[in-house]
Amino acid sequence: GAGVSQSPSNKVTEKGKDVELRCDPISGHTALYWYRQSLGQGLEFLIYFQGNSAPDKSGLPSDRFSAERTGGSVSTLTIQRTQQEDSAVYLCASARDKREVHEQYFGPGTRLTVT
Amino acid sequence: QQQVKQSPQSLIVQKGGISIINCAYENTAFDYFPWYQQFPGKGPALLIAIRPDVSEKKEGRFTISFNKSAKQFSLHIMDSQPGDSATYFCAASNSFNKFYFGSGTKLNVKP
Repeated sequence: GAGVSQSPSNKVTEKGKDVELRCDPISGHTALYWYRQSLGQGLEFLIYFQGNSAPDKSGLPSDRFSAERTGGSVSTLTIQRTQQEDSAVYLCASARDKREVHEQYFGPGTRLTVT
Repeated sequence: QQQVKQSPQSLIVQKGGISIINCAYENTAFDYFPWYQQFPGKGPALLIAIRPDVSEKKEGRFTISFNKSAKQFSLHIMDSQPGDSATYFCAASNSFNKFYFGSGTKLNVKP
């Protein structure tokens, strides 16, 4: 079946512009995570959605970052006034529910480059 | 503060050899320790995972060794193959809440 998809696959933007990154989770998966992967680094947790519960936003690095999940499915990560340090690969993962959240299925990521 | 420390950063192994990657953690509340494999241009994929109530778990050529008292766990890849060349991440979580990832190990298996 279809896996997690993310778009765009690559995004180059100028410093100060806003960007939106999209994640389409696997159908029926209620848990959705966003991570950031900088060059040579591990995955940094950003935000977590579980069903209709309030999202865990504790990993968002600044108030320029926000995310929403519409209808419990598609999620959008928005970065406002992008900075060069925002350049990274942004990964989305989904899982069936919290009890199985360890079985995270990752998308291919969006490579963001801020010039 | 890095919750999970991973070493080495890179590893070169001959085909047929054993690849060993180590991770250490501080938070004793962690209760789930997965390893992920990532190929270039792809997202990480769950490889194998262990809970702290066992000291070892084996799946095919992949084995996790877990030392609860030392707060360390490691991935062993037996009979390493060129197709195993990838970046490996260890991680830890507390009751499936946030996951904390190591910084990754780039494995290169020479033919």
